[in-house]
Amino acid sequence: GQQLNQSPQSMFIQEGEDVSMNCTSSSIFNTWLWYKQDPGEGPVLLIALYKAGELTSNGRLTAQFGITRKDSFLNISASIPSDVGIYFCAGPIGDDKIIFGKGTRLHILP
Amino acid sequence: GAGVSQTPSNKVTEKGKYVELRCDPISGHTALYWYRQSLGQGPEFLIYFQGTGAADDSGLPNDRFFAVRPEGSVSTLKIQRTERGDSAMYLCASSLRFGEQFFGPGTRLTVL
Repeated sequence: GQQLNQSPQSMFIQEGEDVSMNCTSSSIFNTWLWYKQDPGEGPVLLIALYKAGELTSNGRLTAQFGITRKDSFLNISASIPSDVGIYFCAGPIGDDKIIFGKGTRLHILP
Repeated sequence: GAGVSQTPSNKVTEKGKYVELRCDPISGHTALYWYRQSLGQGPEFLIYFQGTGAADDSGLPNDRFFAVRPEGSVSTLKIQRTERGDSAMYLCASSLRFGEQFFGPGTRLTVL
């Protein structure tokens, strides 16, 4: 079935560094979604992308919908401690369900 | 404004018991989704409601799992004869616009 592959699986960075993570698929998606999940919480929608090539920002976060429609990336600039968590990419299949990648775990070193 | 709420936040049960997990979606959201998330994985789709009807239940793992949404708002996920492998976080989400789903905090189910 369709899968979303996220990389890297984990990242260890210093506070203040920029972060880049991506998501790829063997299938075309018409929408890309990026979610963040804190421990013990449900995922929170960060950015939604609807058009190939689209670049969208939400504060220090920027995400792009790849031209091939098979990939997307998320950048975080000047990371802060509250950026710690798991970042999931997701995309809709058919008319209803959404599939998620396995996530990129972001850790910030003290 | 209230977000999606789920109760209980934690549920511990014994193998073989029946459990019900409740989801209160955002007011006015017609679509409601249930997902299951195991440790180290992303959420996996279980079932989708549009209004009162289950539009897609293809993600339910077997017939021990059932969900209802009788009045098109609150939904209950029901699991019969629970097994240890059912232990996971169960997430509910609702949406107005397809693709932009808003998740609740989840119910962590532990089957002993």
